Amino acid sequence: SSELTQDPAVSVALGQTVRITCQGNSLRIYSASWYQQKPGQAPVLVIYGKNSRPSGIPDRFSGSTSGTTASLTITGAQAEDEADYYCNSRDGSGKRFFGGGTKLTVL
Amino acid sequence: EVQLLESGGRLVQPGGSLRLSCAASGFIFSNYAMSWVRQAPGKGLEWVSVINGGGEETYYEDSVKGRFSLSRDNAKNTLYLQMNGLRAEDTAVYYCAKGRLWSPLQDDVFDIWGHGTMVSVSS
Repeated sequence: SSELTQDPAVSVALGQTVRITCQGNSLRIYSASWYQQKPGQAPVLVIYGKNSRPSGIPDRFSGSTSGTTASLTITGAQAEDEADYYCNSRDGSGKRFFGGGTKLTVL
Repeated sequence: EVQLLESGGRLVQPGGSLRLSCAASGFIFSNYAMSWVRQAPGKGLEWVSVINGGGEETYYEDSVKGRFSLSRDNAKNTLYLQMNGLRAEDTAVYYCAKGRLWSPLQDDVFDIWGHGTMVSVSS
């Protein structure tokens, strides 16, 4: 199956830790990558591979996978982390697909 | 600086055609797979198509297969998306995105994104 499922919305208190999850059968084989998108802006890669961050992404962002569930964790969420977050993976045929996205609210 | 600049989006009638372009700079264009990802107004991201670094291998999302054609000109550092038979449901911002490797079968990460170009399909 090529579906990736995300919770539509998650909230976190400022400075607390939040986990955003992404579920799909392809994650047993292929790693998820995670993208942050703020209103009116293009997506930005925040996590890829087992748990790699592009340069410039704060180390409060981390990733993990267990079975068919990938997680993006923000440890000590900041106001600027409020955004939509999308997971992405692929199947063996070359096709890619995104989860439906999670809207993160920082309270 | 690594940059992707999309162009070509506009209002087009249903059944019409459009060609999007993505001009790349700041990296060796031919070394990387390139993709198009779209986002309908108020909706999530949807992958559309990917092409390998040499331009010989392409893959498409099922709803655009047979209507869209992805190509690249490595001498001009430019990616193209030819869109035919456009439908209202193709209305979206279309983003060009760079892959991390030459082959799309080895990696699915989009490490650099353009700012997008808007395609509207309506009569």
